[in-house]
Amino acid sequence: SAVISQKPSRDICQRGTSLTIQCQVDSQVTMMFWYRQQPGQSLTLIATANQGSEATYESGFVIDKFPISRPNLTFSTLTVSNMSPEDSSIYLCSVDRGQRSEAFFGQGTRLTVV
Amino acid sequence: GDSVTQMEGPVTLSEEAFLTINCTYTATGYPSLFWYVQYPGEGLQLLLKATKADDKGSNKGFEATYRKETTSFHLEKGSVQVSDSAVYFCALAAGTYKYIFGTGTRLKVLA
Repeated sequence: SAVISQKPSRDICQRGTSLTIQCQVDSQVTMMFWYRQQPGQSLTLIATANQGSEATYESGFVIDKFPISRPNLTFSTLTVSNMSPEDSSIYLCSVDRGQRSEAFFGQGTRLTVV
Repeated sequence: GDSVTQMEGPVTLSEEAFLTINCTYTATGYPSLFWYVQYPGEGLQLLLKATKADDKGSNKGFEATYRKETTSFHLEKGSVQVSDSAVYFCALAAGTYKYIFGTGTRLKVLA
């Protein structure tokens, strides 16, 4: 299994500001993933973060809005930039042990933009 | 593209009732299939999984069988408890890492 710690667990932010979410894993992993879960909806993959390279973004998500850092094999950050109320969501960090065996998730960051 | 279709909720049941949550998928190749559960205020936890056709995943009294002929992975439990109240997500993994989730089904079990 993998233990994933995500901070903050929730925040209320003013529009136009930025929030950085941290994700710490208890063991080294090659790939880390960031998802968004909008209210009442399913999870949508934002990007995949590999250590030592640029993150790979899914369609509809761009680096300027969601910059990601991956400084080592156990840590990643996602920044939600220039926030608007439409960014109010739960943001989830995830890792996969590989071979599609199982995805592990952090507890999520519940973001409300006012 | 690949997709997962899940029955809409909420589903409200009395304790000890039988539960079925339908899930069908569209995928090229042979995906792995998963059910995740999200309890209030928590992240997603793997409930069960199946990696090939006819496999049955089971955990905590929940079961789901990978049916390739009907492209389905329905979740069942014979007798639900109040503690089973949560949101259930069906998911598939079709590539090396990409997971696709259904919209989630909220289950509420009444005592």
